Amino acid sequence: DGGITQSPKYLFRKEGQNVTLSCEQNLNHDAMYWYRQDPGQGLRLIYYSQIVNDFQKGDIAEGYSVSREKKESFPLTVTSAQKNPTAFYLCASSIGWESEQYFGPGTRLTVT
Amino acid sequence: EDQVTQSPEALRLQEGESSSLNCSYTVSGLRGLFWYRQDPGKGPEFLFTLYSAGEEKEKERLKATLTKKESFLHITAPKPEDSATYLCAGYNFNKFYFGSGTKLNVKP
Repeated sequence: DGGITQSPKYLFRKEGQNVTLSCEQNLNHDAMYWYRQDPGQGLRLIYYSQIVNDFQKGDIAEGYSVSREKKESFPLTVTSAQKNPTAFYLCASSIGWESEQYFGPGTRLTVT
Repeated sequence: EDQVTQSPEALRLQEGESSSLNCSYTVSGLRGLFWYRQDPGKGPEFLFTLYSAGEEKEKERLKATLTKKESFLHITAPKPEDSATYLCAGYNFNKFYFGSGTKLNVKP
């Protein structure tokens, strides 16, 4: 059954700690994306990758880091430098840049 | 400024009461526009892609249309299970632009 998985569904961390969110896809998609969703706002792009071992910053990359060592995996690290990390994080993948994106179920991160 | 704006922010309908959701865009060099449905606490689910003005796509009670300035998502005879937030997103060669969504509530 093809799709995108994100884990965990809920994540709680103390301020000052780095945390890594997992995203895996078995759709054989080349492109992967990380978005942040806050109440009342549209999705904001954090990072995207169009090919293995390459990724680009999106609109709000400060305080985040990613890696793309495998086609199937695109983990996102929320560092202590991110001033407002509490949010709903969504991972997506697509065949290419101009193709529809398929989203994972999301991870809700709460930092206190 | 390139952007996508959705209206209304929220819409309450009675079951069977047809209506339209609006997505207006000012994205230079628009290559296409997506519609998604998002249930609370879940990731968006892909509905449609529209590429050129005049294009229409249908799926069950939903029909999406595109003009040179806006897109509409028409919902015919909605049911309570159509309640969700509907997102649109336009893109060009450089970037995706997501609207903030229309939250639809269909009362039985």
